[in-house]
Order: sequence, then C-alpha cells, then structure tokens
Amino acid sequence: RKEVEQDPGPFNVPEGATVAFNCTYSNSASQSFFWYRQDCRKEPKLLMSVYSSGNEDGRFTAQLNRASQYISLLIRDSKLSDSATYLCVVTRGGNTPLVFGKGTRLSVIA
Amino acid sequence: EPEVTQTPSHQVTQMGQEVILRCVPISNHLYFYWYRQILGQKVEFLVSFYNNEISEKSEIFDDQFSVERPDGSNFTLKIRSTKLEDSAMYFCASKGTVTYEQYFGPGTRLTVT
Repeated sequence: RKEVEQDPGPFNVPEGATVAFNCTYSNSASQSFFWYRQDCRKEPKLLMSVYSSGNEDGRFTAQLNRASQYISLLIRDSKLSDSATYLCVVTRGGNTPLVFGKGTRLSVIA
Repeated sequence: EPEVTQTPSHQVTQMGQEVILRCVPISNHLYFYWYRQILGQKVEFLVSFYNNEISEKSEIFDDQFSVERPDGSNFTLKIRSTKLEDSAMYFCASKGTVTYEQYFGPGTRLTVT
C-alpha cells in the first residue's frame, strides 16, 4: 500500500468553482501534515500546514481526520492561478523527512 | 524573503561521470535535505543532514551518493558514477528549529546521457 495516496485527477473546474481534494496516509505514526503546491517543472511550495482542529487560509481550508488517516483540502472561488498539482505530504514529526503523495492536478478554466 | 538557492539549474552529464549539485539553504536553518523527482513521479526523499552528519537516508541513497557541508553556507550532493536512472530533478530543502515546515530550492535538473 502506498504511504500517501491521492486521486491524480485532473480536476478541470471553471473559475469561481469550489473544489475538494482528498488524501489518505498509511503510517499511523505520522504527526505532521501539509499541503504543497507544485507548478510544472518547479519546486514544491508550501501551501499550508494541516492541524487536527482544521485550519483556513483565505480561500483554502484543510482538514485532518486522524482516526481515518485522511486529509482534505478545499479551495473556494477558484482562480486561474490556482492551476497546479497539489501534493499531500506527511511526516513522522520533528525533523523527519517529508513523504509525498503523487499529487492531484487541478486546471481552472476561464 | 529568504530562500533556498541551487546551482546549476540544469546539468547534463555522461553516464559514469561524477556530478556535484550545490545548495545554499536559508541562513538560520539547521536541517538540510535532498529529494529527487523523476519526471512524472512523486517527490522522493534521499537524505537528511544535521550537525555535520547524516541523520537519515533512504534506500535510494546508496554508496554512489554522498553529502557534504564544506563551509558555513553550501550543502552539496555528489553522485560518484551517474547512471541513466539518476536523471531527475534534485531538490534541496531546509528547515529551521521552530516549525516543521521545509522550504525547497528551485531544483537542479540532472540529465544523464
């Protein structure tokens, strides 16, 4: 079983739409959770950390369900500039390595 | 805003040659990492480095690979004898002491022919 699983997409949505991505992880020892975004042939960029209580940053909302080992990302009012691959990332916490999912591709269409 | 830098941006080398990829982490960060991403695949961890020694490495990081922090700013990844399957984007990342977030450099695209 893959450590971090994501639906690869692509998700093609019109501008202004709301889109949700899901991710599951297999290692119950995972302690820290993130969403990164990656543009084509560029480095992963941190979008947001994910906290147990859920957290919001502008149009982006992340949720964590530790019991189900499930992480989600909701993007409201999609913009053309949101087009990218969204990477679900987990770690065992502290300074341990990041474990990446393969990513979910989003295309926002005018 | 401080950022991780990497050089070169693109390196082409012949199979069997040695390459050195360079990174300058964010200046007050103490934890350094190398990851790679083969085209179309996920980002994979290679090695982490702290206090002048390797703290963790993956199965990918075999005897052909080594890392070094030769001075106070650079962090390097050496591949001794490159193989075709080493062709990938290599990302350096660094992390501070307060938060868990790692910040990535722009990557070096390594092409082995």
